Amino acid sequence: DVKVTQSSRYLVKRTGEKVFLECVQDMDHENMFWYRQDPGLGLRLIYFSYDVKMKEKGDIPEGYSVSREKKERFSLILESASTNQTSMYLCASSTRTSGRAYEQYFGPGTRLTVT
Amino acid sequence: RKEVEQDPGPFNVPEGATVAFNCTYSNSASQSFFWYRQDCRKEPKLLMSVYSSGNEDGRFTAQLNRASQYISLLIRDSKLSDSATYLCVVHDYTGGFKTIFGAGTRLFVKA
Repeated sequence: DVKVTQSSRYLVKRTGEKVFLECVQDMDHENMFWYRQDPGLGLRLIYFSYDVKMKEKGDIPEGYSVSREKKERFSLILESASTNQTSMYLCASSTRTSGRAYEQYFGPGTRLTVT
Repeated sequence: RKEVEQDPGPFNVPEGATVAFNCTYSNSASQSFFWYRQDCRKEPKLLMSVYSSGNEDGRFTAQLNRASQYISLLIRDSKLSDSATYLCVVHDYTGGFKTIFGAGTRLFVKA
C-alpha cells in the first residue's frame, strides 16, 4: 500500500512567519506534488517535482517555494505566510511507470490557518 | 470556460440506484483521465483511471468520449458508502505537464 505522510494535520501560524510543510512517501515514486484545496475552487497545483532537485511551477506558485533533496521527501515552504494562504494543503506522489503513470496517491492533508 | 467542469450536484439517490456523472474538458490534446473520490474532510483517493476503450471495476464503469471531450462515471447498485464527492482529473502533457482537477460532484446515497 502506498503511504504518503504529512508532517502536521493542523497548523496555526502568524502573518509573516516562514512555514515548512513536509511530505514523505514510501513507494519510491518519482513524482511528487503539492496542492491547495479551497471550497468552490477545488484542488489547485502549486508545484510538482519529477525527480530529486527538480521542480516545476504549477498553477499558483506565487508565495511558495519547494525543496526536494531526497526522492522520498518533498517540502513546501511559505516564505512569509499571509492570511490568503489559509487553506488545506495536500501532498501527492505518483510513479511514471507505464500503465500506472500519474495515478496520484495523497497524504491526509495539513489544514493551515494564518492569523 | 473552465478547463474541467463538473456538475456540483448534489445527486441524491436511493440505495440500489444507478447514477452517472459527466466531466467535460476543454483541451482536445488532454491525454490522461482519472476519477477520484473524496470523503468529507479526507484526502482524495484514486477510484479509477479512464482508458480510451472504457473500463469497469466492479460496480463502477468509466468511459471516455474524445469527440465530445467528456469522461463519465457510472455507479450501479449504489451503496450508502458510495456517498462522497467525485473528482475528475485531466492531465495535459503538451507544453509541459499540467494536472487539472474538477471541482467535484457530490453524491448522497440514502437508505
